[in-house]
Order: sequence, then C-alpha cells, then structure tokens
Amino acid sequence: DAGVIQSPRHEVTEMGQEVTLRCKPISGHNSLFWYRQTMMRGLELLIYFNNNVPIDDSGMPEDRFSAKMPNASFSTLKIQPSEPRDSAVYFCASSFVPGVTPNSPLHFGNGTRLTVT
Amino acid sequence: GESVGLHLPTLSVQEGDNSIINCAYSNSASDYFIWYKQESGKGPQFIIDIRSNMDKRQGQRVTVLLNKTVKHLSLQIAATQPGDSAVYFCADDRGNAGGTSYGKLTFGQGTILTVHP
Repeated sequence: DAGVIQSPRHEVTEMGQEVTLRCKPISGHNSLFWYRQTMMRGLELLIYFNNNVPIDDSGMPEDRFSAKMPNASFSTLKIQPSEPRDSAVYFCASSFVPGVTPNSPLHFGNGTRLTVT
Repeated sequence: GESVGLHLPTLSVQEGDNSIINCAYSNSASDYFIWYKQESGKGPQFIIDIRSNMDKRQGQRVTVLLNKTVKHLSLQIAATQPGDSAVYFCADDRGNAGGTSYGKLTFGQGTILTVHP
C-alpha cells in the first residue's frame, strides 16, 4: 500500500505566481480531504470530496483557492495568485466512507510545504 | 510585529514511563474519535480509534479511553520510547444530523510529547 501520495514535497514560489498541489489518494478510498497546517492555526480543513464530488468547501480561505477531483485517483489544489500568507504545509488525506457508520480513519500524505516569497 | 502562535501543551517523560495525553471535545453528537501521531516533516499518522459505543480500546502499547459524560478522551502509551516523541492530535467525527459525515474530522490543537532517554 503506497499510501496517499502528494507532490511536490516542497514548493517555493514568488508572490503572484500560480501554485498547483497534487494528490493521489489510496486506491479504493472514496473521500478526499485537503488540510492546511500552520503554527498559527493548526490543522484546518479546506475542502473535501466524496465520490469525486465537492461536499464542503467552506474552509477554502478565498477565491484564490480552488480544488478539483477529476477522477477517483487524482486531486489538485490550486492557488492563483499566491500570497506570502499562503505559506503553510498542505496535506491531502483520504478515507473510505461506506455511507453508514462506521467510517474508516483518514490517512494522510506527507504534505507539501509551500513557501511564497 | 509579534507573532502569536498556538501554544501546544507539552508532556515530557522518561523512557520506559507510561504517558497519558488528554483531550476534551465539545460536541456531544460526535460518535467517532481518533488519535494521530505527527512526526517532524510527516503527515499525521493514525494510531488508534474508538467509537462512541465503547469506553476503552487497546492497541499495541496504546490504550484509548473515552468518557462521554465529561466529553474527554485520553491516550495512554505504555513503556514510552524515544521514537514516541511527536505531536499527538485527537480528532472527532461530528456526524451530520443522522446523515453521513463523509469522514470529515475536526482536530484538536495537539500535544507535544518528548521522551528523554
């Protein structure tokens, strides 16, 4: 089991540039989550999908952030234009949700550390 | 200006001692609870979970206790080892008023565990 795979591991970009973060969930999982982690705010849920459909994007900070899940094995989180305050570690996580409890736990990738200068 | 970040609780123990990490949750509707361990540079890693119809669950060297009356969760680590040093997060699934929660978790701020050899 390769786990949740995120790329790139590190991204350094200049303010105003577009940033795209990528995630491959665990095969067979049908829910995918994007979290952001900072020292100031801890782990924050940005958006999550179930069966490739966005369920709740209320955590997305601004219109500069967008996420897509074109198929069950791939998701992207895009920031355009990026700003220094977007600097954080972005985590992708996946789980299997059968529709009724019990759910399975979230499995996280190792994150993308984004630095916007 | 002065930056203000999260002030995480810390726990320092000697190798071989037992550790107890505590967590309070606020939502009485939460029905699923998970403990995660996060090491530097990695994503949160699943340790153990417990459902609301249980009050205790044991794993390898770890035990989770759930007290629904006071909305309290604890993680006990037996014979703590230096490799257990990490940040530990509790998380809960708050459900969706009878519907599926899609596996969405809400995380606590974390506790830093340091194990001294």
